[in-house]
Amino acid sequence: AQSVTQPDIHITVSEGASLELRCNYSYGATPYLFWYVQSPGQGLQLLLKYFSGDTLVQGIKGFEAEFKRSQSSFNLRKPSVHWSDAAEYFCAVVPNQAGTALIFGKGTTLSVSS
Amino acid sequence: DVKVTQSSRYLVKRTGEKVFLECVQDMDHENMFWYRQDPGLGLRLIYFSYDVKMKEKGDIPEGYSVSREKKERFSLILESASTNQTSMYLCASSSFDGRSGNTIYFGEGSWLTVV
Repeated sequence: AQSVTQPDIHITVSEGASLELRCNYSYGATPYLFWYVQSPGQGLQLLLKYFSGDTLVQGIKGFEAEFKRSQSSFNLRKPSVHWSDAAEYFCAVVPNQAGTALIFGKGTTLSVSS
Repeated sequence: DVKVTQSSRYLVKRTGEKVFLECVQDMDHENMFWYRQDPGLGLRLIYFSYDVKMKEKGDIPEGYSVSREKKERFSLILESASTNQTSMYLCASSSFDGRSGNTIYFGEGSWLTVV
């Protein structure tokens, strides 16, 4: 079945350390790829997205993600995590068709320790 | 400023009640979506619509129906609410262009408790 997988349910990172959140998808064609963040009680905020072109995508808040077609992955990275980055992160895809829906992974909760 | 507005942020309904969740977008988008969000399950697609009076089932349509009589409005209907429909419901709309792909906008969410 077509799906979006975030293998890590919960990650704890020390403040100032680097971060990588994993995302894999199982769609045959190259989908459009997204990362969202959600703080407790808040709505979804788009961090970045990949549509085409450069496979390394820069986003807001110092995040970046790299699309690797050979690995069907779109991992999110940040070189130095801040306490305010603690939140839930969702990877999502649109299966390469305009008008089709965004399909989400189950999310990764990030905790930041001091 | 673009907007997806969900009319009710917090609702408490009784089992068996008919529940309407309303969503309005002001961006003239053709595509609109309803998701529910549950801890550990992420966001799951209930229904989406790509045009007025058109609808498609998502991953979990059972127990829900939708209505799209006008382009800007997409309603989610729980015909007979049950306690397992207690959740957060998110509405979204989207546009697409060849240069930047899909742009998706979310509402703030509606917290529904069924007692």
